[in-house]
Amino acid sequence: AQSVAQPEDQVNVAEGNPLTVKCTYSVSGNPYLFWYVQYPNRGLQFLLKYITGDNLVKGSYGFEAEFNKSQTSFHLKKPSALVSDSALYFCAVRDTGATNKLIFGTGTLLAVQP
Amino acid sequence: KAGVTQTPRYLIKTRGQQVTLSCSPISGHRSVSWYQQTPGQGLQFLFEYFSETQRNKGNFPGRFSGRQFSNSRSEMNVSTLELGDSALYLCASRADSAQETQYFGPGTRLLVL
Repeated sequence: AQSVAQPEDQVNVAEGNPLTVKCTYSVSGNPYLFWYVQYPNRGLQFLLKYITGDNLVKGSYGFEAEFNKSQTSFHLKKPSALVSDSALYFCAVRDTGATNKLIFGTGTLLAVQP
Repeated sequence: KAGVTQTPRYLIKTRGQQVTLSCSPISGHRSVSWYQQTPGQGLQFLFEYFSETQRNKGNFPGRFSGRQFSNSRSEMNVSTLELGDSALYLCASRADSAQETQYFGPGTRLLVL
């Protein structure tokens, strides 16, 4: 069965420092991977996706993610964190087979301190 | 383009009642999926509709149902509400079968008392 793991419940980083939010996956076949962000009392906002091609994917708001097949990871990164980046981040993988269901990780709360 | 809209945004019901939530996808999008978000279970897939047909269903009891109309708007219904149905219900739309990205609405927060 497909699954996604986000090993950190919370990541703390100082404003201006680089940030990494970790995600590992387990799928059969080629993974379709996504990152979403959720601000308080809001829905999920799409950040970026990896389907195929370059292992480094660039997304919205300066975020990028690196797909690593050998480590089955898809970590979210940003070179310089902003206080406004503080939010809940979800990694997701598209289920395989005749379905477009997304399987989500448990989420990582990113706290950026000024 | 306007994003995915969901109504109502907030809802309070009592156990045993039923509720209907509505979702309007991004214009031109034909696929609508529903997810339930709770602190304990996280984000879980409920079902997906494409061109008025249910394509996939998650592992939820039959009290949870949905439908999609010819204009792609979708509704989900929960009958005989239980306390555990309290959650944020998220709707996501996707253009078509070739489009991988799902775009989410703001959600409907349901509280069951």
